[in-house]
Amino acid sequence: EVQLVESGGDLVQPGGSLRLSCAASGLIVSSNYMSWVRQAPGKGLEWVSVIYSGGSTYYADSVKGRFTISRDNSKNTLYLQMNSLRAEDTAVYYCATVGIVAGIPESFQHWGQGTLVTVSS
Amino acid sequence: SYVLTQPPSVSVAPGQTARITCGGNNIGSKSVHWYQQKPGQAPVLVVYDDSDRPSGIPERFSGSNSGNTATLTISRVEAGDEADYYCQVWDSTSDHYVFGTGTKVTVL
Repeated sequence: EVQLVESGGDLVQPGGSLRLSCAASGLIVSSNYMSWVRQAPGKGLEWVSVIYSGGSTYYADSVKGRFTISRDNSKNTLYLQMNSLRAEDTAVYYCATVGIVAGIPESFQHWGQGTLVTVSS
Repeated sequence: SYVLTQPPSVSVAPGQTARITCGGNNIGSKSVHWYQQKPGQAPVLVVYDDSDRPSGIPERFSGSNSGNTATLTISRVEAGDEADYYCQVWDSTSDHYVFGTGTKVTVL
């Protein structure tokens, strides 16, 4: 059974930094496409970033240049380093696996329970 | 950037059929996926690749996709189907993932 457990969410001041972690079991992070999706309070889902098994990374325009996705193969863990945080980054952050068919990204198959990031002074 | 538009809300009586639309430019050429999200919970995939269901999802959930509109259909609606529903596609031109605006389904 696949399990994804996020951690690292906290209250941080604008301009600050935070690193989120997503510990995985039941799958090998480095062999999968892994993504972060966020949801601001009372709002819809917003894709944030993805890292492919080959190491390529992509970011939503709203976070590009401020956020960095990475993974630690030895810990089977996905990370999201968030710098220069803004109030509008306040959200629950979910990590999720991305299904692949013939090398084409598909749906978000497995989700963690989420971790809350609050950016406020 | 690619945009997916959903109606904010859909209301349906128990036992009836709910249809949730997802509009996007030539969305019929893309694979569309649908998620159910209940309050305080993570999203759950209910339909992938336009019309396939993951294991454990009832046959009452079905999907279609053509032209500029994809549709999630929930037949014989139950109280437990009350939730927010989101469509999603992968935009190959930007390698970005796009979610629809979300639809709140209310069971009357």
